[in-house]
Amino acid sequence: QVQLQESGPGLVKPSQTLSLTCTVSGGSFSSGAYYWNWVRQFPGQGLEWMGYTHYSGTTYYNPSLKSRITISVDRSSNQFSLKLTSVTAADTAVYYCARGPQQLGFYFDSWGQGTLVTVSS
Amino acid sequence: DIQMTQSASSLSASVGDRVTITCRASQNINRYLNWYQQKPGKAPKLLIYAASRLQSGVPSRFSGSGSGTDFTLTVSSLQPEDFAIYFCQQSFITPWTFGQGTKVEIK
Repeated sequence: QVQLQESGPGLVKPSQTLSLTCTVSGGSFSSGAYYWNWVRQFPGQGLEWMGYTHYSGTTYYNPSLKSRITISVDRSSNQFSLKLTSVTAADTAVYYCARGPQQLGFYFDSWGQGTLVTVSS
Repeated sequence: DIQMTQSASSLSASVGDRVTITCRASQNINRYLNWYQQKPGKAPKLLIYAASRLQSGVPSRFSGSGSGTDFTLTVSSLQPEDFAIYFCQQSFITPWTFGQGTKVEIK
């Protein structure tokens, strides 16, 4: 049973960089059969897919974030990470990491518990 | 981006009711439509993928249908644990996008 766990600061100052890590346990990280995603949920409950990485290092980002986002993989630690630069209050959200099998479309079948990140001075 | 519209932001129902939640895409997405359930303080949970495929472990009272632009999630007999928010999500074209959610409340 795969488990995902987000970690990182809960408070980030405006204009700084938001950094989060997702640790994957349960054995599927290195299989290559999945994509590893970041999804965020704004206070009004709207969900936004931010981007994904693959164990191979392939990445794909939501164009709305493309200039600010980096997702990277650390194979040795079974982790993948999110960096979002130049944050503003509009980036305040609960950030989830999620696993995505690529079969019959692209969906998120396992999620972390989520971590609230507040952007405020 | 493809816009996903859930026509009802909320609906009220009773235990045992048959409940239908609708989702419309701004363009044809074939059958690349997924449904999630979210309870307060929890991550979304996958219920249905590829419009009608039941995710492993999800009760059979949940079903999905539709293709093209119009999709439906049906709960055949609502149970107390089904009161939650339901989201649709398209995976036809990146960026993947979600509907705004439909909250199922107790009548």
